[in-house]
Formats: sequence, structure tokens, C-alpha cells
Amino acid sequence: GAVVSQHPSWVICKSGTSVKIECRSLDFQATTMFWYRQFPKQSLMLMATSNEGSKATYEQGVEKDKFLINHASLTLSTLTVTSAHPEDSSFYICSALSRQGQGRRNTIYFGEGSWLTVV
Amino acid sequence: AQKVTQAQTEISVVEKEDVTLDCVYETRDTTYYLFWYKQPPSGELVFLIRRNSFDEQNEISGRYSWNFQKSTSSFNFTITASQVVDSAVYFCALSEASINGQNFVFGPGTRLSVLP
Repeated sequence: GAVVSQHPSWVICKSGTSVKIECRSLDFQATTMFWYRQFPKQSLMLMATSNEGSKATYEQGVEKDKFLINHASLTLSTLTVTSAHPEDSSFYICSALSRQGQGRRNTIYFGEGSWLTVV
Repeated sequence: AQKVTQAQTEISVVEKEDVTLDCVYETRDTTYYLFWYKQPPSGELVFLIRRNSFDEQNEISGRYSWNFQKSTSSFNFTITASQVVDSAVYFCALSEASINGQNFVFGPGTRLSVLP
């Protein structure tokens, strides 16, 4: 079964509004989570690295004021797309790093992804 | 810098044919991990395999097999007797030794269509 859960799977929002996407590690603590964006027919591009209890690290070209990331607990990271515009429409997917010693190998698990459509 | 190349953008085969998806990578690290993921139209990433750089043994899992060749920096994926359900985008990915995700790089993906 899924070990990383993303919610919502699908979201449609109006241009100018904000939308929040949640990423949860279900049975392990994840001090580090990652957010990716995937445009149609393209590969996944890392947007930012989310660290529990500290500020996220954004990749070059990603607007941190537009894509707010909060990692307030060891099992939850959220991505908020603020003042969304149609060009933000994309597939957003998170992943979480599971460290050895939590019953799992040192590996990365992906969420199911979230389809965002801004109209 | 890390880089993953999947030269085949799209492949179409007829059901029951064998198909090989190519993956070539670049890294300066001597310790790294290679992955293959399947992404069906629904979007979720389905983990297929993880291989570390010290394990060059080829692996077979059912109809899937992987050929890791460090000498050519390749990690190719073969589906034997393909089925329509194999239709998806397949991503090869590379992560350096820290596996902290910041160095987790995806290839551009290969879209596989298996026709009935």
C-alpha cells in the first residue's frame, strides 16, 4: 500500500486563488520531503526540498513566494500555490525520504501526485 | 553534474514483442543509485527497481529485466512479451550516494505504447 499520501489528487481552482496540496508519510517519519512539478509530456523537475522545522530549499527559477512550502511535522509537508494562474496548471508530486532504522531502507517514496488545473 | 539520458522519446510495439528502454547516465560519484519508475496515465510513479553502483548483477523480475553496465554508464530495461498494460511513460533516475533527494535526477522519460 501507499506509504506516502498526497491530497487532493485533483483540484480545479480559479485564477488568483490559492490552493494547498498535502504530502504525508504514512508509517515513517520524513525529515526531508521533496516537491516536483511535471508539465505534460515532460519529466519531473525538482522544485524544492522541504526540511522539517526549517525553511525549504528552492531550485533555481522556482519562486519561493509563489510556491510556499511548510514542513511543520515529521509526517506532513504542504505546498501552497499562491495567486494561481493558468500557467501553474501542472502535475505536482511529492516524495519523502525514509532513513534506515525505521523498518525501511534508506530510500525515497513518491506520493500519488496532484493534478492542478487553474481556470 | 548528474545527468540522465533516455534517447527514446516514444516507442510503439505490438503486444508480445520484447522491448528495451535505454538509459545512459553521467555522474562523478563512485557511489550512486539508479532507479526505474513507471508512470501510467493516472500519474502516480510506480517504483520498479533500485540498483546501487556496486551491484552490476543483472536482475530479472517476471517479464522485467535490467542490464546494468558501468563500463558504458547504462542501465537498460527490457520488457519481455509486452502487454497492453505496460503502456506508460518510463523514467530512469539517478541519485548520488547521499540519496537525500537533492541529487535525484530524472531522465526525460520514454513513452511506451503497446498495441493489441
